[in-house]
Order: sequence, then structure tokens, then C-alpha cells
Amino acid sequence: EIVLTQSPATLSLSPGERATLSCRASQSVSSYLAWYQQKPGQAPRLLIYDASNRATGIPARFSGSGSGTDFTLTISSLEPEDFAVYYCQQRSNWLLFTFGPGTKVDIK
Amino acid sequence: EVQLVQSGAEVKKPGESLKISCKGSGYSFTSYWIGWVRQMPGKGLEWMGIIYPGDSDTRYSPSFQGQVTISADKSISTAYLQWSSLKASDTAMYYCARLAAQIAFDIWGQGTMVTVSS
Repeated sequence: EIVLTQSPATLSLSPGERATLSCRASQSVSSYLAWYQQKPGQAPRLLIYDASNRATGIPARFSGSGSGTDFTLTISSLEPEDFAVYYCQQRSNWLLFTFGPGTKVDIK
Repeated sequence: EVQLVQSGAEVKKPGESLKISCKGSGYSFTSYWIGWVRQMPGKGLEWMGIIYPGDSDTRYSPSFQGQVTISADKSISTAYLQWSSLKASDTAMYYCARLAAQIAFDIWGQGTMVTVSS
């Protein structure tokens, strides 16, 4: 089973700052990597799929990069509504999936 | 509007059985995989399994294989997650989600809270 590791566990930043979140896979997942945002009491929301493609309706301040085992989600300038937990997720060749443990972005 | 609507919250006793549902609308239900995701209180997301309603092809996470059963009734555009004997550790929020481009879950249900307590 492919294991995803996310760092840092918590990121404390101020509105307007740049956020850089990391996701590392235990083996190559090619570009089969997605990112989600989850706010308290809400279902997760897809942000990025296939490592770097923004989902429908996602603002341009969200961007994804990477391939193989190392991936990054960047929020170029944090808006108040961006403070949330972010998860990465991979898909294996056998249509099996795993999520990372999450990174909480909170207000400094 | 594309949406997944899940059944309501459940309170059960240990050892009881349960089947929760996820109804799709606004798209071709038989053309997209539906996955199930567990979120225990205060914890992260865990992928449980996935089903293709078109032919009921099903895959399970090794962590959940044998613990739950995923099924679908394409005639009513509904996927199911069921337990034959619940445990207190099954207490969690359960989400269904549609798989898009075979990579990511683009549409999510609102979640079904399952509480198992004696």
C-alpha cells in the first residue's frame, strides 16, 4: 500500500502570506495525485487533480506541482476562507486510493 | 445539478447491522465510480472502497476488506455501504464521493454520521 506523508502537520500564517504544503509518496504515483480542502463541519472539496490541474471553480491562487513521489500545493496569497485542513490523495494502478494525514493551515 | 445525497444520521448498538445510502443525480450514475471515505471524530480521511455502478466492479482498501460491503443499485442510482455487525470503533462520519478522470473525487455527499454506542 502506498503511504502518503504530509508536512508540516500545522502551518501558521497570516492572510496575504504564501502557503507551501508538501506531500510525499512512499513510491512513485506518477501524476495521480489530488489535493482537497476541508473546513470544519463540511465535506472535502477537490482543489487539484492530476498533480497540477485546478478543479472547476477553484481560484488561481491555488496551484499544484510535482510528479513521482514529491508534490506541492501552493496558495499564493492566503485569503481568510483558506484557513482549513488540506489533504493529498493518490491513486494506484489497481484503482486503490490513500489519503495523506493532512496539513492544517491556521491563522497566526 | 450534479449531486450525491446521503441518508441521514444513524445511532446503533454494537452488534447491530446497518446499511447507509448515497443517491446520485444530475449525471449518468452508471458511468462514474463511487467511493466511500471514513472520517473518525477529529481525524483524517480514510479511503474505504469504490464501486462502479455500471457493472458493480468493487475494490476495497486492505484496511476495510471484510469489514464492510459496498454495493449499488443502478436502477435507482444509489450506492450503499453496509456493516453486518457494528463496533464502537465504527463511529465516524462516512462520505460517498464520485470519482472523476479515474484520479480524484470531484463530487461529495454531505456525509452520514454513524454513532455506535451501547
